[in-house]
Amino acid sequence: DAGVIQSPRHEVTEMGQEVTLRCKPISGHNSLFWYRQTMMRGLELLIYFNNNVPIDDSGMPEDRFSAKMPNASFSTLKIQPSEPRDSAVYFCASSFASNPTQYFGPGTRLTVL
Amino acid sequence: DAKTTQPPSMDCAEGRAANLPCNHSTISGNEYVYWYRQIHSQGPQYIIHGLKNNETNEMASLIITEDRKSSTLILPHATLRDTAVYYCIVSAHNAGNNRKLIWGLGTSLAVNP
Repeated sequence: DAGVIQSPRHEVTEMGQEVTLRCKPISGHNSLFWYRQTMMRGLELLIYFNNNVPIDDSGMPEDRFSAKMPNASFSTLKIQPSEPRDSAVYFCASSFASNPTQYFGPGTRLTVL
Repeated sequence: DAKTTQPPSMDCAEGRAANLPCNHSTISGNEYVYWYRQIHSQGPQYIIHGLKNNETNEMASLIITEDRKSSTLILPHATLRDTAVYYCIVSAHNAGNNRKLIWGLGTSLAVNP
C-alpha cells in the first residue's frame, strides 16, 4: 500500500485566497483525521470522520475552515479565506475504526503571505 | 481525557538504550497508552501501545507500571535515525468505538554518535 497520500506537499498563497488540501487514506481504513501542527501549539486535531461522516469537528478553528469526505478514498480540507495565522503543516491520518493506530501522511506545508 | 507529562528533551548515546518516561496519573481503566514518534519534517509514526501489560515489538518495548500511572518507552539500541520527538498519548473513546488521540508536546530525543 502507498500509505496515506496528501497533496500538495507545499502550498504558498496570499492572504484572502482559497486553499484546498487533499487526502487519500489507506485503502480499507474507515476513519480519517485532519491535524494541524505549529511550533506554538503542537499537533492539534481539527476534525475526524468515521465511515465518511464527520464525528467531531470541535477542533476546527472557525467558519473559514471546512472539511468534506465525499467517499471512502478522498477527503478535502478547505480554508476560505486564508490568513497568515493559518500557516502550518497540515497532516491527514487514517485508521480502522476498531483499531486506534493512526497512519499519517507526509503533510502539506502551508504558507499564507 | 487523561493528560500526559513528558520531559521536553533527552540525550542518548548511539548504541545505548534510550528510556523515555511518561506520567499519566489520571488515566482511566479503559484508556490505552500509545507511543508515536515524529522525525523532522515527517508525519508521526506509530511505535507501540498497551493497556496494562508490558509490550514489545520490533521497534521498542513499553513498560507500564502496575498502577498504570506511568510508563517507559525503551529503545534497546538507539541509532542516529531514532533522533525524533516522541509522543506519549492516552486514548479517548468516542461514539463508534473510535479513539481520539490527544497529543502533548512530546520528548525531543537526540541520539549522539
